[in-house]
Amino acid sequence: DGGITQSPKYLFRKEGQNVTLSCEQNLNHDAMYWYRQDPGQGLRLIYYSQIVNDFQKGDIAEGYSVSREKKESFPLTVTSAQKNPTAFYLCASSAYRDTEAFFGQGTRLTVV
Amino acid sequence: GQQLNQSPQSMFIQEGEDVSMNCTSSSIFNTWLWYKQDPGEGPVLLIALYKAGELTSNGRLTAQFGITRKDSFLNISASIPSDVGIYFCAGPDTYNAGNMLTFGGGTRLMVKP
Repeated sequence: DGGITQSPKYLFRKEGQNVTLSCEQNLNHDAMYWYRQDPGQGLRLIYYSQIVNDFQKGDIAEGYSVSREKKESFPLTVTSAQKNPTAFYLCASSAYRDTEAFFGQGTRLTVV
Repeated sequence: GQQLNQSPQSMFIQEGEDVSMNCTSSSIFNTWLWYKQDPGEGPVLLIALYKAGELTSNGRLTAQFGITRKDSFLNISASIPSDVGIYFCAGPDTYNAGNMLTFGGGTRLMVKP
């Protein structure tokens, strides 16, 4: 089945630790995105990538880093510099930047 | 930042009632997308609209691409408890974001059995 997979579903980390969230897609999509969602809120764009080895900052990139070494994969690292990392993180992909995006099931990160 | 405004921000309705929500933009959109997010899950695409004036249905859901190309509407008929969730509109923002997909802030729907 084609789709976009995020893992893990739930993640707990101690404050001050970096953590990497996985996102893999087998839809052969060029574009991939990371969003952050806080309770009761909308989606805020963290980073996006339109092609392998290239990515751009979104609206709230501070404290996050990404890589795009393979077309299928777009991992997000939440660094210790992110002041409020506890949130629901969503990964998405689309054929191109202006076409329908398809989302993963999300990773709920809790930092204690 | 976001250029799409969704209204209302939240709705609390009785099961069986019809629901209407809308999305407006200050600039023209060539595509309108409607997503639904169930609690704790990722958003799922419900309906895609590609032409001004287009009216498209998906079961009890009907969406319309506004004739001005600056708005879109989503209606849900005879709501049921599983309609609960957040509904997002989205579209590629040509004028403000280099054609990047942009999302509205969402309409949170709550249904009372």
